[in-house]
Amino acid sequence: GEDVEQSLFLSVREGDSSVINCTYTDSSSTYLYWYKQEPGAGLQLLTYIFSNMDMKQDQRLTVLLNKKDKHLSLRIADTQTGDSAIYFCAEENYGGSQGNLIFGKGTKLSVKP
Amino acid sequence: NAGVTQTPKFQVLKTGQSMTLQCAQDMNHEYMSWYRQDPGMGLRLIHYSVGAGITDQGEVPNGYNVSRSTTEDFPLRLLSAAPSQTSVYFCASSSTQGYNEQFFGPGTRLTVL
Repeated sequence: GEDVEQSLFLSVREGDSSVINCTYTDSSSTYLYWYKQEPGAGLQLLTYIFSNMDMKQDQRLTVLLNKKDKHLSLRIADTQTGDSAIYFCAEENYGGSQGNLIFGKGTKLSVKP
Repeated sequence: NAGVTQTPKFQVLKTGQSMTLQCAQDMNHEYMSWYRQDPGMGLRLIHYSVGAGITDQGEVPNGYNVSRSTTEDFPLRLLSAAPSQTSVYFCASSSTQGYNEQFFGPGTRLTVL
């Protein structure tokens, strides 16, 4: 069945780059997503990538997609303490409904000053 | 726009009690869903709806009911609360056009004693 895997924790120093990795299973996903959850809040869409792209850059964020290996990564350049949050990778689940997303368990990013 | 609103923010129930978690959105989104978030488990889909009058089960539907009588509202009912339903519940909505940006409510933290 569909599954999205992520490592649970990542710790970096302020100013360093953070790389959060994800593997997914559904090769039919049209889009793949990164969501961010700050403490005590719901998830917010951070960025997404269309499945026919290899890379997408948006200011400090770079998303890399390797469709052959079903591997997605999120790089945050010049990581700040405000980037501390849980980051979720998600794929689409057309087996259920066009609206359904399957989320990974989330990677908790801690940024040390 | 208020976005997605959820009430209550916190709730404590005794085993066997019933209650309804409210969710409303003002973005005219067709798709609405309920997730539960547990430590180390990520987000798991409980029920979803692709439009008024249409609902379907997600990954973990047992013990929960939903209805969608209007586009705006998607309440989640716990029929007979159990300690295993202690969790944080998130409602989300999205358009079914284009990429799937799900908008999340702030969550309801439920404790069942």
